[in-house]
Amino acid sequence: ETGVTQTPRHLVMGMTNKKSLKCEQHLGHNAMYWYKQSAKKPLELMFVYNFKEQTENNSVPSRFSPECPNSSHLFLHLHTLQPEDSALYLCASSGGRGKETQYFGPGTRLLVL
Amino acid sequence: GQQVMQIPQYQHVQEGEDFTTYCNSSTTLSNIQWYKQRPGGHPVFLIQLVKSGEVKKQKRLTFQFGEAKKNSSLHITATQTTDVGTYFCAEIQGAQKLVFGQGTRLTINP
Repeated sequence: ETGVTQTPRHLVMGMTNKKSLKCEQHLGHNAMYWYKQSAKKPLELMFVYNFKEQTENNSVPSRFSPECPNSSHLFLHLHTLQPEDSALYLCASSGGRGKETQYFGPGTRLLVL
Repeated sequence: GQQVMQIPQYQHVQEGEDFTTYCNSSTTLSNIQWYKQRPGGHPVFLIQLVKSGEVKKQKRLTFQFGEAKKNSSLHITATQTTDVGTYFCAEIQGAQKLVFGQGTRLTINP
């Protein structure tokens, strides 16, 4: 499945580093999402973008900064993260008209030291 | 938003046995989606249920939505090793906010 791609697949960073996660969808969708999946919590929605506009910020700390330059690309900029931010970060996309199937990318496994 | 509670958290079965996972909510659910995540993989959409009492089947998988739309279940008949993974239920709240249950991790003894 290559409809939604994410890079890098694995990332190790220190607490003072700045890094970015990239997501690209090839499905012609208009909505894109960032999710966090950690070991002891359910999948948590972080951000939603619909037609490039942010429509949902699920009380995410400001050390996570999303960017959606167009409907096909989504970034998550990371700075001064904490060890508890270590998790699998999943990107997803959907058509954008509401209540649709979401298609997930393979995720970026992030470790913050 | 309301929480979606999913049980059990873990289930281990012998190959060929049946498996069921349940989702419950204290309030009415507008819809339920089910996803499967293989070990080391990402969630993959299985099905969406919208109507009260709805039952849908996909080969050995049977999905049900309760009459009161407060619970849903996924039942797998005669499990196979390819069924291993974590099964999540989720509700779309509003237009696009997907709220997931905690997931049920299924392991199978061949």
